[in-house]
Amino acid sequence: GAGVSQSPSNKVTEKGKDVELRCDPISGHTALYWYRQSLGQGLEFLIYFQGNSAPDKSGLPSDRFSAERTGGSVSTLTIQRTQQEDSAVYLCASSRSGTSSYEQYFGPGTRLTVT
Amino acid sequence: GEDVEQSLFLSVREGDSSVINCTYTDSSSTYLYWYKQEPGAGLQLLTYIFSNMDMKQDQRLTVLLNKKDKHLSLRIADTQTGDSAIYFCAAKGNQAGTALIFGKGTTLSVSS
Repeated sequence: GAGVSQSPSNKVTEKGKDVELRCDPISGHTALYWYRQSLGQGLEFLIYFQGNSAPDKSGLPSDRFSAERTGGSVSTLTIQRTQQEDSAVYLCASSRSGTSSYEQYFGPGTRLTVT
Repeated sequence: GEDVEQSLFLSVREGDSSVINCTYTDSSSTYLYWYKQEPGAGLQLLTYIFSNMDMKQDQRLTVLLNKKDKHLSLRIADTQTGDSAIYFCAAKGNQAGTALIFGKGTTLSVSS
């Protein structure tokens, strides 16, 4: 079946502009995660959504970062006033709830370059 | 918090076995994973092991877990050039929704 999809695959933006990154999880997966992969920091957790519960935002690096998940499916990660240190690959993952919640499946990522 | 460490590079010849090692610090980590990332691609879940297991085998892949030493390894038998990639070790706690904590990845280079 279809995997996790993300768009755009690449995004180049100027410093100070806002960007929106989109994630479509696997159908039926209620949990959704955002991670960031950068050269210096490796893979870092950003935010987690589970159903209609309040998201776990503990990994967001600053208040310029926010995310929402509409209708329990598609998620959008927004970065306001982008900085060069925001350049990274942003990865989305989804998982089922219950006993299979330990299997997280990743999308191909969005490569963000801030110039 | 949890910290996951891996060696950064491994180079092997085609047909040899590869062993990628990983250590973690949090003894309450319940699930331990290996992901593979090929150039320009996302993360592919290769295999995982529960903390109450010592070993898991899946075709050419063998995962060994030493819970006492908090050491995890991935052995790839008969390594092929197509196995060249970055391999990430990750750990996760027991609670639903706990994020994965990743190591920095081991770049496996397979020469023919």
